[in-house]
Amino acid sequence: GESVGLHLPTLSVQEGDNSIINCAYSNSASDYFIWYKQESGKGPQFIIDIRSNMDKRQGQRVTVLLNKTVKHLSLQIAATQPGDSAVYFCAEIPFNQAGTALIFGKGTTLSVSS
Amino acid sequence: EPEVTQTPSHQVTQMGQEVILRCVPISNHLYFYWYRQILGQKVEFLVSFYNNEISEKSEIFDDQFSVERPDGSNFTLKIRSTKLEDSAMYFCASGAGRKETQYFGPGTRLLVL
Repeated sequence: GESVGLHLPTLSVQEGDNSIINCAYSNSASDYFIWYKQESGKGPQFIIDIRSNMDKRQGQRVTVLLNKTVKHLSLQIAATQPGDSAVYFCAEIPFNQAGTALIFGKGTTLSVSS
Repeated sequence: EPEVTQTPSHQVTQMGQEVILRCVPISNHLYFYWYRQILGQKVEFLVSFYNNEISEKSEIFDDQFSVERPDGSNFTLKIRSTKLEDSAMYFCASGAGRKETQYFGPGTRLLVL
């Protein structure tokens, strides 16, 4: 089974709203998480990351929250813009002496209407 | 801003043919990866490469696949005898450290007929 997944396959919001995209992970030993944005026909684009020793990390218009108790990760986008429309993936690296492979969830498609 | 580049952007090949996908990782990065994404599905890990050898590979990365870093800048993925189910987007990624951000290239869309 997959280690990382998302609660909703699609999310539709109005321009200017705040968006929250959720992700549940199953490997409690994972210690590094990344959010990627993928626009149609392009590669995943790094948005923000967080390590397991943190609960929250903020970037420009984005915030990632990590709740290790319930193994939940969320991405908050403030003042969502049409250019934010894309598929958003969370990814994790399970704690492992040697491994660095990212395990991706299925993705949430964010649609922003004007 | 440095970025990962990939060539070709599109590749069409006949089943059974060999293909080589090419990548130029970010210049000061040490970890290199190949991932693939079948249309409409999630991104899947294939292989990681560090210090001129494979450090990890998935079940997808069977004997038909190989990787090489032939010089100081290129990183290639070879599929020896392509199958229909190899049709996918193939992404190269690179990272500066073992658990550091992985930056992805734009991908090569491979279509096997």
